[in-house]
Amino acid sequence: GAVVSQHPSRVICKSGTSVKIECRSLDFQATTMFWYRQFPKKSLMLMATSNEGSKATYEQGVEKDKFLINHASLTLSTLTVTSAHPEDSSFYICSARDRGASNTEAFFGQGTRLTVV
Amino acid sequence: AQTVTQSQPEMSVQEAETVTLSCTYDTSESDYYLFWYKQPPSRQMILVIRQEAYKQQNATENRFSVNFQKAAKSFSLKISDSQLGDAAMYFCAYRTGGGSQGNLIFGKGTKLSVKP
Repeated sequence: GAVVSQHPSRVICKSGTSVKIECRSLDFQATTMFWYRQFPKKSLMLMATSNEGSKATYEQGVEKDKFLINHASLTLSTLTVTSAHPEDSSFYICSARDRGASNTEAFFGQGTRLTVV
Repeated sequence: AQTVTQSQPEMSVQEAETVTLSCTYDTSESDYYLFWYKQPPSRQMILVIRQEAYKQQNATENRFSVNFQKAAKSFSLKISDSQLGDAAMYFCAYRTGGGSQGNLIFGKGTKLSVKP
């Protein structure tokens, strides 16, 4: 199946700094990628939909100035957590669908565990 | 808005036995897809099985099968001959159809334990 690579898998940062997470579709083009957040032992909550070449669409309650999303190419979307705080510590997962294939499932990255200290 | 409900936070099954995980959903749409995803301790989301709403036949993938009841908006997952490697969190998910790039809506998950 298609592969989505997410990097880094783990990151620890100091409070107040920014962290960038990359999501790449390795063998397909994705006009749309999705960013989810997962708290411990909880489900995945959609944060935003990343659209190539245009602004991301954020879910209600998600601060767009804090969670900057850039989708500059058909294979790469980035999520930057700006001025991170301990409450931003979480597991972040991206997913993407192959624009060239209809009726397909979304492929997920490996996830990024962010710890803000 | 669409919702997905998994009423079983935890389930347990004996190795080689069969277990059924429940999922119900609410939607006013007629065209949609339903999925079961597995999330092992590695946290990697793995697609287990997919069902198109327009198909009456229940999807099957080896030891995994679903009981799709469209009128009842029910989508349960049956795991036969359970194996130790099946232990994981299982999420039921919904996506709008029609060729959209729509996101997945997840249930809260069911933690499955497999006893040797």
